[in-house]
Amino acid sequence: GQQVMQIPQYQHVQEGEDFTTYCNSSTTLSNIQWYKQRPGGHPVFLIQLVKSGEVKKQKRLTFQFGEAKKNSSLHITATQTTDVGTYFCAGPDGGSQGNLIFGKGTKLSVKP
Amino acid sequence: KAGVTQTPRYLIKTRGQQVTLSCSPISGHRSVSWYQQTPGQGLQFLFEYFSETQRNKGNFPGRFSGRQFSNSRSEMNVSTLELGDSALYLCASSDLTVMNTEAFFGQGTRLTVV
Repeated sequence: GQQVMQIPQYQHVQEGEDFTTYCNSSTTLSNIQWYKQRPGGHPVFLIQLVKSGEVKKQKRLTFQFGEAKKNSSLHITATQTTDVGTYFCAGPDGGSQGNLIFGKGTKLSVKP
Repeated sequence: KAGVTQTPRYLIKTRGQQVTLSCSPISGHRSVSWYQQTPGQGLQFLFEYFSETQRNKGNFPGRFSGRQFSNSRSEMNVSTLELGDSALYLCASSDLTVMNTEAFFGQGTRLTVV
């Protein structure tokens, strides 16, 4: 079945360093969504990318959607302790009407 | 606008019992999806309801069931609980479908089966 893979599983950085998480789908996606889950919290929507090659920025966060619409990345510049959490990518299940398939997530820890 | 409300927040049940979890979506949202989150498996899709109809179902045993009411509130039920059912159960609401629009998640229900 369709799979969404994310790497790395964990990332430990020093505050101020950059961070990148990568997402790969086994099938072409119509769109990709990114969510952040703080420790003890619930997933919160960050952004949705739809177009091939699309790049979107939110302050220090840069999101990219690959040309083939099968991969995506999230890059955080100059991490802060508030960036701590798990970042998930999710893509629609091509065979269903109402399912998002989530990657396993990248857990980011930031050392002050 | 009130967010997605899940009740209860925490639950401890014994193996073999059954449990019912509730989710009230954002007002006006007709789609409610349920996910199971565990450290090992991540977020796994259970089922999705839209206008009181189950539109899609994930790969979970029949012990997991759900329903949606006319006011879009949804419940999920797990019968004959097993230790492996211990997880955070999240519901997500959207106006049409989480596949193409932002999914708003509730705080989740933390279920512990002992």
